[in-house]
Amino acid sequence: EIVLTQSPATLSLSPGERATLSCRASQSVSSYLAWYQQKPGQAPRLLMSDASNRATGIPARFSGSGSGTDFTLTISSLEPEDFAVYYCHQRSKWPWTFGQGTTVGVK
Amino acid sequence: EVQLLESGGGLVQPGGSLRLSCTASGFAFSNFALSWVRQAPGKGLEWVSTIGTGDDTYYADSVKGRFTISRDISKGTLYLQMNSLRADDTAIYYCARNPVGGFFDSWGQGTLVTVSP
Repeated sequence: EIVLTQSPATLSLSPGERATLSCRASQSVSSYLAWYQQKPGQAPRLLMSDASNRATGIPARFSGSGSGTDFTLTISSLEPEDFAVYYCHQRSKWPWTFGQGTTVGVK
Repeated sequence: EVQLLESGGGLVQPGGSLRLSCTASGFAFSNFALSWVRQAPGKGLEWVSTIGTGDDTYYADSVKGRFTISRDISKGTLYLQMNSLRADDTAIYYCARNPVGGFFDSWGQGTLVTVSP
């Protein structure tokens, strides 16, 4: 099973600041990595597919990069609605797996 | 508009069974793979099972042999038959759509399954 390790577990930032989230895979997943955002009481929402393709309706302040084992989700300037939990997910090999999540909280 | 609506959750005793349903609308049901993803209270996301467009099925090791995923194209409905339920199966169960890329591009609102005496 491919283990995805997200860091940091928690980010405390202020609106307007830049957020950098990391996801590291235990073996190469090529570019078959996605990012999701989840707010309390809501279902997850797809942000990014195949490492760097923004999903429909996702603002340009969200960007993704990486391939192989190291990936990054960047939020260039945090808006109030961006404070949430973010998960990475690999679909390179069965079983599909998720990272444990990074919480972006208000400082 | 793509919509996925789960139902069938509830309280069940350990060892019991439950069948979840996910009714889909707003897209060509037979053209997409579909999955179940769960989230234990206060925890992260866990992939459970996927059914492909050719009815090929895939399961997490934690549910293999106990859960069965299926679909009824005529009804536009995805199912998850859960047997031999355990306390650690307690979670919100989401159904999600998988386009060709394999990621989850649309999600239902989830249904809560609680396994407790």
